Amino acid sequence: GENVEQHPSTLSVQEGDSAVIKCTYSDSASNYFPWYKQELGKGPQLIIDIRSNVGEKKDQRIAVTLNKTAKHFSLHITETQPEDSAVYFCAASMAPGDMRFGAGTRLTVKP
Amino acid sequence: DAGVTQSPTHLIKTRGQQVTLRCSPKSGHDTVSWYQQALGQGPQFIFQYYEEEERQRGNFPDRFSGHQFPNYSSELNVNALLLGDSALYLCASRSIVGSEQYFGPGTRLTVT
Repeated sequence: GENVEQHPSTLSVQEGDSAVIKCTYSDSASNYFPWYKQELGKGPQLIIDIRSNVGEKKDQRIAVTLNKTAKHFSLHITETQPEDSAVYFCAASMAPGDMRFGAGTRLTVKP
Repeated sequence: DAGVTQSPTHLIKTRGQQVTLRCSPKSGHDTVSWYQQALGQGPQFIFQYYEEEERQRGNFPDRFSGHQFPNYSSELNVNALLLGDSALYLCASRSIVGSEQYFGPGTRLTVT
């Protein structure tokens, strides 16, 4: 089955800096790659996603890149703000099948 | 538009007991998946329901069972609770023709 690895497990940046989180997946049949943000005591919130026929997608300060050949994808957050502090999860699936998640990255943005 | 809702918010049970968790999907969604999230870990897929049938199942024992109703809402049942079942249980919904999946706030289950 699908295995998703996520790095780093913790990330601390200064407000205004960029943050990058990387994930790799094992199943070449996976075709949908979402990113979720989870704040304390809440469920994961979908923040951006990318499909296998696209190499890059951007939404304001957030962007995701996908390299299907290497089977890895990354989340880029620019101009970080304290409210970006949370745990971020990557996931992979062969939609609409089950979704496999990475272990998460705890991002801290220091003011 | 209400998103995914779950009840109860918190639950405390004793080892060996049984528990039922409930989920209402986002409007327009017909597929419900359940996940278990242990502290400090990513969500682990339990199973997925569509058209009132279990369509896919993750690596969870038969003590975990579910149901989907005609209005697309769903229940997760766990029998013979173990201490290790303590976790946040998340419900997520999507349309069978789409990819985007949205999560509810979760039910925090504590087994003592």
